[in-house]
Amino acid sequence: NAGVTQTPKFRILKIGQSMTLQCTQDMNHNYMYWYRQDPGMGLKLIYYSVGAGITDKGEVPNGYNVSRSTTEDFPLRLELAAPSQTSVYFCASRPTSGGSTDTQYFGPGTRLTVL
Amino acid sequence: GDSVTQMEGPVTLSEEAFLTINCTYTATGYPSLFWYVQYPGEGLQLLLKATKADDKGSNKGFEATYRKETTSFHLEKGSVQVSDSAVYFCALSEGGGYNKLIFGAGTRLAVHP
Repeated sequence: NAGVTQTPKFRILKIGQSMTLQCTQDMNHNYMYWYRQDPGMGLKLIYYSVGAGITDKGEVPNGYNVSRSTTEDFPLRLELAAPSQTSVYFCASRPTSGGSTDTQYFGPGTRLTVL
Repeated sequence: GDSVTQMEGPVTLSEEAFLTINCTYTATGYPSLFWYVQYPGEGLQLLLKATKADDKGSNKGFEATYRKETTSFHLEKGSVQVSDSAVYFCALSEGGGYNKLIFGAGTRLAVHP
């Protein structure tokens, strides 16, 4: 049981480039989330999904897109990278049955730098 | 909207010292409260939680009590170890089916031998 995995671990982008951050979970969780963590700040929610085919915006969605074609995968796309998107990105998932339905499980993060 | 405020860090302690990290919240309803810990180079892990007033969450020697009257959820540990060095995040869940988490800014703890 790998939990939540994210790739890549690190990435440097030039302004205007695009990339996709990958997130996969093998716990059959319906809910998935993307957060960004800026230095000295708490995590802010970018997008979330309540199941395959359903996504919604969080607190800071501008400049990002998501899709959810399967239960396992929830990729985050940056179309035109900007320096303001330099951050650490965390993916998380949550079960909807069992005893821990209020607990989110986090991946190890992707550190992105835009120059 | 809902928010979480944590004491600023870093907090530097000697091994076996007593730890308190303050956390207060603002919420319109009755949120669940969480402490997450982030060890260097890793993602966040749930440390403990409390789902209603006067509940006490505990794990690995850490404790926090949900105080509705003071809107607080302070984290305590009686005797810290070097291995407790990490960043600690207080968070609340807005409730409803989506369970979106609102995080505080985090408090870095450094424990020296």
